[in-house]
Amino acid sequence: DAGVTQSPTHLIKTRGQHVTLRCSPISGHKSVSWYQQVLGQGPQFIFQYYEKEERGRGNFPDRFSARQFPNYSSELNVNALLLGDSALYLCASRVVTDTQYFGPGTRLTVL
Amino acid sequence: EDQVTQSPEALRLQEGESSSLNCSYTVSGLRGLFWYRQDPGKGPEFLFTLYSAGEEKEKERLKATLTKKESFLHITAPKPEDSATYLCAVQESGGSYIPTFGRGTSLIVHP
Repeated sequence: DAGVTQSPTHLIKTRGQHVTLRCSPISGHKSVSWYQQVLGQGPQFIFQYYEKEERGRGNFPDRFSARQFPNYSSELNVNALLLGDSALYLCASRVVTDTQYFGPGTRLTVL
Repeated sequence: EDQVTQSPEALRLQEGESSSLNCSYTVSGLRGLFWYRQDPGKGPEFLFTLYSAGEEKEKERLKATLTKKESFLHITAPKPEDSATYLCAVQESGGSYIPTFGRGTSLIVHP
């Protein structure tokens, strides 16, 4: 079975631009979560969606938004990019149980 | 105060030299504790979930144990391919299914 997939793999943007990151969960998984990971740190929680509803939001500014589609895939949008938004963005999916499975991540570089 | 603290931050071992990584946590109630392995620039790879004190799980050269305050990841006779960052995460009971991650332990195994 395919694991969690994310696109694109790498992305380079300039300050002030907008970015959309995409995630497809493992088949049968209805919950998707987004994390930001900067070098040397553990993943920081951004959003969690279950059955297309937001179930949790981390301590991130309103420039960050997300949504989940009827097929359970998800998008993370970041507006007005800042240099500090450069990070590895991770998507994770789970069924009903609590174990999350991560995708390969999207490396975002903001210049 | 960090809910999840991992130590040491970095560990260098010779091939075959067994050791342990520590994850201490401060939550009022534990729903689950998770161990992941992460290679540079990649998404975390799931290793173990532990739910209650006294529980142990093994996979190849890795063994995870859990007490009421901490978890250990024991690495027996490590090989260079075990080199990675090992992340610990905890989910608090009664809340949403959102784990809090530690900063990880960077393990390097020299041949």
